[in-house]
Amino acid sequence: QKEVEQNSGPLSVPEGAIASLNCTYSDRVSQSFFWYRQYSGKSPELIMSIYSNGDKEDGRFTAQLNKASQYVSLLIRDSQPSDSATYLCAVKGRGQNFVFGPGTRLSVLP
Amino acid sequence: EAQVTQNPRYLITVTGKKLTVTCSQNMNHEYMSWYRQDPGLGLRQIYYSMNVEVTDKGDVPEGYKVSRKEKRNFPLILESPSPNQTSLYFCASSYGQGGNEQFFGPGTRLTVL
Repeated sequence: QKEVEQNSGPLSVPEGAIASLNCTYSDRVSQSFFWYRQYSGKSPELIMSIYSNGDKEDGRFTAQLNKASQYVSLLIRDSQPSDSATYLCAVKGRGQNFVFGPGTRLSVLP
Repeated sequence: EAQVTQNPRYLITVTGKKLTVTCSQNMNHEYMSWYRQDPGLGLRQIYYSMNVEVTDKGDVPEGYKVSRKEKRNFPLILESPSPNQTSLYFCASSYGQGGNEQFFGPGTRLTVL
């Protein structure tokens, strides 16, 4: 059974701090990795995708991938109260099979 | 406006009464998927489709059926719903090329009594 694991949180950080979200996955053949943000009562929306080892930056967000360690992370710099949401890590396997982690709830305190 | 739509948004039904949740996208996406989301379990993929008339099971397909007769539509069918299918359901679509970043519909909250 393919698994994607995340710390469930809640993770609380003060406004302006860096929030660090982590994800590990079990399927070594996975090649595509995604971070989605989901506000309460809303649908998931894509924040970042990453396919190669290393860092990928987009504004205040940085995704990091280490395939050898089967580890993906998301850093949010200068965290804002509007970043308070649940962050879902998703891993694409064969075909169009996607496995999502349970999500980490982030709370940014003003 | 590019979007994925689902209907109905809310549904309360009884055990055994067949139902269909529709999903439609206007982005000409090749790929479409259905997920259910339950507290503590995250999103779990039910079925996906990579093209018209091409569907495949996800991780939790039992009790569900799908069809893809047109590119834009991907209905989810519950032939005989049971209370353990009470959940929040999301449809998603993506392009066939590239990494397959998915766009999600607004969700359908289903309660089976």
